[in-house]
Amino acid sequence: DGGITQSPKYLFRKEGQNVTLSCEQNLNHDAMYWYRQDPGQGLRLIYYSQIVNDFQKGDIAEGYSVSREKKESFPLTVTSAQKNPTAFYLCASSKRGDTQYFGPGTRLTVL
Amino acid sequence: GIQVEQSPPDLILQEGANSTLRCNFSDSVNNLQWFHQNPWGQLINLFYIPSGTKQNGRLSATTVATERYSLLYISSSQTTDSGVYFCAVVVSGSARQLTFGSGTQLTVLP
Repeated sequence: DGGITQSPKYLFRKEGQNVTLSCEQNLNHDAMYWYRQDPGQGLRLIYYSQIVNDFQKGDIAEGYSVSREKKESFPLTVTSAQKNPTAFYLCASSKRGDTQYFGPGTRLTVL
Repeated sequence: GIQVEQSPPDLILQEGANSTLRCNFSDSVNNLQWFHQNPWGQLINLFYIPSGTKQNGRLSATTVATERYSLLYISSSQTTDSGVYFCAVVVSGSARQLTFGSGTQLTVLP
């Protein structure tokens, strides 16, 4: 099946820990994106990548890091510098300039 | 940056009713998408509609780019239509990232 997968579905983190969220796509899309959603709000862009080995900061990049070593994969690391990381994280991909398709999301909770 | 405003913020309907959701945006856009977020959080693409009108079953959408708004119509609503509807745009000349509105929470009662 073609699509976007995210893992894990739920993630719990202790304060001070870094955690990495996985995003994989087999749609042969060039561009990939990470968004954060807080309760009752829309999505906000964290990072995006339009090509392998290149990525750009979005509106709320502080406390997050990414890598894009393979076309299919765009992992997001939530570092201890992110002051309020509890949120729903969504990954998306698209052909350049085209419709974005979203994965099922990861719910991160800081204990 | 661009402002994306959706109205109404909340909408409660009886099953079978029709509804119109509105999205206003403050700048020229290359891309406009409508999404439905189900209770499990999955975002489902409804329409890619930077301009014009499209229909898909009971749903249709119209974007008037020159007047900077888009409308999503839901006819004969069903309980499975419940969830949050988001409008998202890509600003002309930008690097293709979507800017989301804050959504319309739709509840369809049986």
